[in-house]
Amino acid sequence: DVKVTQSSRYLVKRTGEKVFLECVQDMDHENMFWYRQDPGLGLRLIYFSYDVKMKEKGDIPEGYSVSREKKERFSLILESASTNQTSMYLCASSRTGSDGYTFGSGTRLTVV
Amino acid sequence: AQSVTQLDSQVPVFEEAPVELRCNYSSSVSVYLFWYVQYPNQGLQLLLKYLSGSTLVKGINGFEAEFNKSQTSFHLRKPSVHISDTAEYFCAVSDPGSARQLTFGSGTQLTVLP
Repeated sequence: DVKVTQSSRYLVKRTGEKVFLECVQDMDHENMFWYRQDPGLGLRLIYFSYDVKMKEKGDIPEGYSVSREKKERFSLILESASTNQTSMYLCASSRTGSDGYTFGSGTRLTVV
Repeated sequence: AQSVTQLDSQVPVFEEAPVELRCNYSSSVSVYLFWYVQYPNQGLQLLLKYLSGSTLVKGINGFEAEFNKSQTSFHLRKPSVHISDTAEYFCAVSDPGSARQLTFGSGTQLTVLP
C-alpha cells in the first residue's frame, strides 16, 4: 500500500514563527498536493506539484509556499504563521487521475 | 472546470437503517468519480471509485454507489449502517486536462444514532 506520511499529527506554533509541514510518500508518485480543511469549508487546495521542483498555486496560496526538492517529499511552509492559519492540513499524492489520491493522516496546526 | 455538489451537509440516521448520501457533478463529459471517508482526526480514505463499465460500484465497508450519467449523479448508499460508519464523506470528480486532477465536494457528515 502507498503510504503518505506527515511528520506531525499535532503542532502548536506562535504567531510570526516560520512553520514547516513535511510530507513524504513512498510509491514514486509524480503528483503531490497540500490542502487545508476547516469546518464548513471542506477541502481547499493550497499548492500542488506534478514534478520535482515544479509547483502550482491552488485556490488559497496566500501566506504559504512549498518546496519539492525530491520526488518523495513535499513541504508546506508558513512564512509567518498567523492565527487564521490554524487548521487541519492534509497532504496527498497520486500517480494518475484514475487512481485518485492517497492522503496522509493530517497535521492539526494551532497558531497562538 | 468541474464542480461537485453534495446536497446534504449533515445526515443523521439510526443504526441498522439504510442511508443515501447524494452527490452531483457539473460535467457531462467522461469523468472518474470517487467517494472518500474521513474518520475524526484522520486523513481521507478511498471508499470506492467509478472509472468505466458497470454503473454500480461496490466499495469497502459495505458501501456502494451508482453512476447516473444522465443525471450527473454518483450517490453513495449502504443498506444498513453501523455506529462505526459515523464519519465525514466526500465526493470527488476528476478534472480531465487539469493538473490538479480531483475536485472535491464540501462533504457530508453522517451521524449514526443508537
